[in-house]
Amino acid sequence: QVQLQQWGAGLLKPSETLSLTCAVSGGSFSGHYWTWIRQPPGKGLEWIGEINNRGSTYNPSLQSRVTMSVDTSKSQFSLKLNSVTAADTAVYYCARDTYCSGSLCSIALSFDPWGQGTLVTVSS
Amino acid sequence: QSALTQPASVSGSPGQSITISCTGTTGDVGNYNLVSWYQHHPGKAPKLIIYEVSKRPSGVSNRFSGSKSGNTASLTISGLQAEDEADYHCCSYAGSRTYVLFGGGTTLTVL
Repeated sequence: QVQLQQWGAGLLKPSETLSLTCAVSGGSFSGHYWTWIRQPPGKGLEWIGEINNRGSTYNPSLQSRVTMSVDTSKSQFSLKLNSVTAADTAVYYCARDTYCSGSLCSIALSFDPWGQGTLVTVSS
Repeated sequence: QSALTQPASVSGSPGQSITISCTGTTGDVGNYNLVSWYQHHPGKAPKLIIYEVSKRPSGVSNRFSGSKSGNTASLTISGLQAEDEADYHCCSYAGSRTYVLFGGGTTLTVL
């Protein structure tokens, strides 16, 4: 059973860089897209972007500030968001882009499983 | 591009059925069968309950069903139970520029 465990700094000052990492265990890492999603307080979910070992795609509204990376040797992927402001305060989640039942996987955009979430607060 | 449109809240009594709508455009919901739904209890990670419009992951109750008509996707929960009280989010592929859109989320209250 695939599990995602995420970690990173929870309190940042404006203009600092948000940095989160997500470790994948219990299943295949390569061949999947890995995603970051966030939920600001009182708002809906927002897709930040996704990455696999061949490339990445970012939300156009965040693209100028986002960088994602993968470390295949450790089955980990990371998110960096620079120049944060209070508007970046949110719970950040990592997730796999596809639902898989055994060796059968969905096409895409079926986020499962998810990490436990990390509350990141930006405040001076 | 704007988020998908969901009602802010819906409610129902135990045993009843409710439907949550998710309205997009021809650029997202209307043009792709990549709509998914997530159940989100406060303090927990969201849980996939419907993918590719109407498919249910293993272990998800058959009381949850998904459908789509035109630019609107729908999640129906039948035989409401107290444990269904949660936030529900829809998600759709939105083409190669925007890529992914979520709805604003709907809070389900079981009366």
